[in-house]
Amino acid sequence: ILNVEQSPQSLHVQEGDSTNFTCSFPSSNFYALHWYRWETAKSPEALFVMTLNGDEKKKGRISATLNTKEGYSYLYIKGSQPEDSATYLCASPGVTDKLIFGTGTRLQVFP
Amino acid sequence: GAGVSQSPSNKVTEKGKDVELRCDPISGHTALYWYRQRLGQGLEFLIYFQGNSAPDKSGLPSDRFSAERTGESVSTLTIQRTQQEDSAVYLCASSLGTSREQFFGPGTRLTVL
Repeated sequence: ILNVEQSPQSLHVQEGDSTNFTCSFPSSNFYALHWYRWETAKSPEALFVMTLNGDEKKKGRISATLNTKEGYSYLYIKGSQPEDSATYLCASPGVTDKLIFGTGTRLQVFP
Repeated sequence: GAGVSQSPSNKVTEKGKDVELRCDPISGHTALYWYRQRLGQGLEFLIYFQGNSAPDKSGLPSDRFSAERTGESVSTLTIQRTQQEDSAVYLCASSLGTSREQFFGPGTRLTVL
């Protein structure tokens, strides 16, 4: 059974603060790690798909790193804005090839 | 090109009725997933189709739930004898494979009165 875990469960920051949160996953049989942003009343949208140990990806003020040997990925947001408020989900395929999602980190950015 | 589409966008039904939800994935996507989000909760996996393999039904909450997929095309999720706890947003997603990003549809909001 593959457990994808995320922390913290929720986070409240002020506009302009930088923040980061964690996704952990079993390091054996690693295949890929996905990050998604899920805004209220919308559908999840992919941010990154990472496959190589040491991968770093960036999209605007958001970046992610991957450590497959120790089984974790960090998502960073630099200079948080209110529009960054969302639930951030990570996911990784299990042994059956099915993508398994964590429970998410709910970020709220206050102006 | 067109993204993942779902219909209907909203469905209100009475307890005990059957409902059918439809998902049209992106053309060529071999993987198709159904999820749901109940009020105040996270993303709950329901069922996964990958190519011609037997679907992974491990997330279906009861035998009232079933899903079919026609080849690598449209999928339908059927809920029989709906209950109030079935009220949720049902999301469909498709992808080229597990190392590729999932594209989500807009969802079907199901309300069971």
